[in-house]
Amino acid sequence: SAVISQKPSRDICQRGTSLTIQCQVDSQVTMMFWYRQQPGQSLTLIATANQGSEATYESGFVIDKFPISRPNLTFSTLTVSNMSPEDSSIYLCSVSRGYGNEQFFGPGTRLTVL
Amino acid sequence: AQSVTQLGSHVSVSEGALVLLRCNYSSSVPPYLFWYVQYPNQGLQLLLKYTSAATLVKGINGFEAEFKKSETSFHLTKPSAHMSDAAEYFCAAMNYGGSQGNLIFGKGTKLSVKP
Repeated sequence: SAVISQKPSRDICQRGTSLTIQCQVDSQVTMMFWYRQQPGQSLTLIATANQGSEATYESGFVIDKFPISRPNLTFSTLTVSNMSPEDSSIYLCSVSRGYGNEQFFGPGTRLTVL
Repeated sequence: AQSVTQLGSHVSVSEGALVLLRCNYSSSVPPYLFWYVQYPNQGLQLLLKYTSAATLVKGINGFEAEFKKSETSFHLTKPSAHMSDAAEYFCAAMNYGGSQGNLIFGKGTKLSVKP
């Protein structure tokens, strides 16, 4: 298994500002992902965080809006830029030790944009 | 494209009754499949996973799921519901395209347990 922490756990932000969410894992992992869970909805993959290279974004998500960093095998950040109320969601980090292995999820960051 | 369908956004059972949560996947290649549970205001916890070994998979908290290729299904069951099982359950398939290994989630089923 893996123990994953996210900071902050929740935040209330003003429209037009940016928030950076941190994801820390207690051991090195191959894969790290960022998901969004809008209110009452399922999880949607935003991007795969690649160590040492640019993240791989899913359709509908762009780097300018959701810049991601992954400087090493245990840490990643997701920034939600120029926020609007539509960005109010839970953002979850997940990790995996490789294809076919289960993903472990962090506790999530609950973001509210006013 | 792969997809996961969960029939029933809300299922209600009585305590002690059978729990059956339905999941179907669409894929020409049987994928790796997972069930996760999300309790209110918490992250996702893995219940069980299917990775092409035994078709009947046992998980935590008394849950199990059976992979049926002919029906493209991976339904989750528990013989006797407990009040603590009330939560949202997500079925997910691992994306084999693009070699990313990310998960494709169903819309989720909220389980309520009546006393």
